[in-house]
Amino acid sequence: GAGVSQSPSNKVTEKGKDVELRCDPISGHTALYWYRQRLGQGLEFLIYFQGNSAPDKSGLPSDRFSAERTGESVSTLTIQRTQQEDSAVYLCASSLDYEQYFGPGTRLTVT
Amino acid sequence: GEDVEQSLFLSVREGDSSVINCTYTDSSSTYLYWYKQEPGAGLQLLTYIFSNMDMKQDQRLTVLLNKKDKHLSLRIADTQTGDSAIYFCAEKAGTSYDKVIFGPGTSLSVIP
Repeated sequence: GAGVSQSPSNKVTEKGKDVELRCDPISGHTALYWYRQRLGQGLEFLIYFQGNSAPDKSGLPSDRFSAERTGESVSTLTIQRTQQEDSAVYLCASSLDYEQYFGPGTRLTVT
Repeated sequence: GEDVEQSLFLSVREGDSSVINCTYTDSSSTYLYWYKQEPGAGLQLLTYIFSNMDMKQDQRLTVLLNKKDKHLSLRIADTQTGDSAIYFCAEKAGTSYDKVIFGPGTSLSVIP
């Protein structure tokens, strides 16, 4: 069956522009996560959606970052006024219970 | 808050055993995971253990959990060059409705 997909796979943007990253979770998965992975670093938790509960936004690094999820489907992560330190791979994962399934990530480069 | 720590680098000779260690702070962790990330590839779940277990074995992989010390380890027997990768420890607190927190990853290098 289809796994988690993310788009675009690569995004190059100029400093100060806004970007939107998309995640399509596995159908039926109630939980959806966004992580950031800087080059050579670990996974940094950003935000977590679980069903209809209020999202856990405790990992968002600044108010330039926001995310939305429509029901139990697609999620978009928006970064406003991008900065060079936002350059990273943004990973999305979905799960139904204890096992997370990761997408391939979006590599964001801010020039 | 939750925190997961790992040593950043490990180097072993091919054929030896590798032991990757992890410590976590959240005593309510119920699921603990090991993920593998090969260069340029996505994250692959290797194995997981429930907090009511102290050991799990899966072919060449052995997971040991010391809940009292909040210490998790992954042992890879007969390490091969294909095992070279970054290994992430992760924990999920409370119920299946809680988020998963990852450690910084241990880069395993296997010397032929």
